[in-house]
Amino acid sequence: DTGVSQNPRHKITKRGQNVTFRCDPISEHNRLYWYRQTLGQGPEFLTYFQNEAQLEKSRLLSDRFSAERPKGSFSTLEIQRTEQGDSAMYLCASSLAGRASGNQETQYFGPGTRLLVL
Amino acid sequence: RKEVEQDPGPFNVPEGATVAFNCTYSNSASQSFFWYRQDCRKEPKLLMSVYSSGNEDGRFTAQLNRASQYISLLIRDSKLSDSATYLCVVNMPGGGNKLTFGTGTQLKVEL
Repeated sequence: DTGVSQNPRHKITKRGQNVTFRCDPISEHNRLYWYRQTLGQGPEFLTYFQNEAQLEKSRLLSDRFSAERPKGSFSTLEIQRTEQGDSAMYLCASSLAGRASGNQETQYFGPGTRLLVL
Repeated sequence: RKEVEQDPGPFNVPEGATVAFNCTYSNSASQSFFWYRQDCRKEPKLLMSVYSSGNEDGRFTAQLNRASQYISLLIRDSKLSDSATYLCVVNMPGGGNKLTFGTGTQLKVEL
């Protein structure tokens, strides 16, 4: 499978615990995005990377959240001291940005990690 | 006002019907537009990009009206397999191509 992969697919944790999610983008995609989706809502942008550089973070991303993409390939999203309000689906997407794609670059989404904080 | 607004539905239509979804966006400087499809408990998948001249892909037609900041999706001859949530998506200006999603419109195609 050459699509975007995410692990784990499901995570149940107790309030106050730390969790880490991993995203493996499509090979050679230089941009990687994290989104969060709650029930009945569309995905909301959290942050994105161009290669290894984190270029933008949403105001939704509190200081308990940190994301990395150390070698410009896979990315991790860590949530510290989880709260019940963090329960959501965390989606990763990747794209190939370049002159040819312009503004119509397509983002391909992974299957998501569904987090439940008890 | 939400940045991207859609009627959440559900739209319940019989198989073979034609159904249209509308979406409005707030930022007139938005640069690109998409419709994504999302099945229950699955990830969003790109259905089609939306171009200023309008575009068609089989039974699906997308239109963009920049003056009214309005996007539409028309599905003709709907199939049971079209049942899903359709997300209107806009690329807000500011770089990075971060996507802003509407809440989605749920479609149920019935026998």
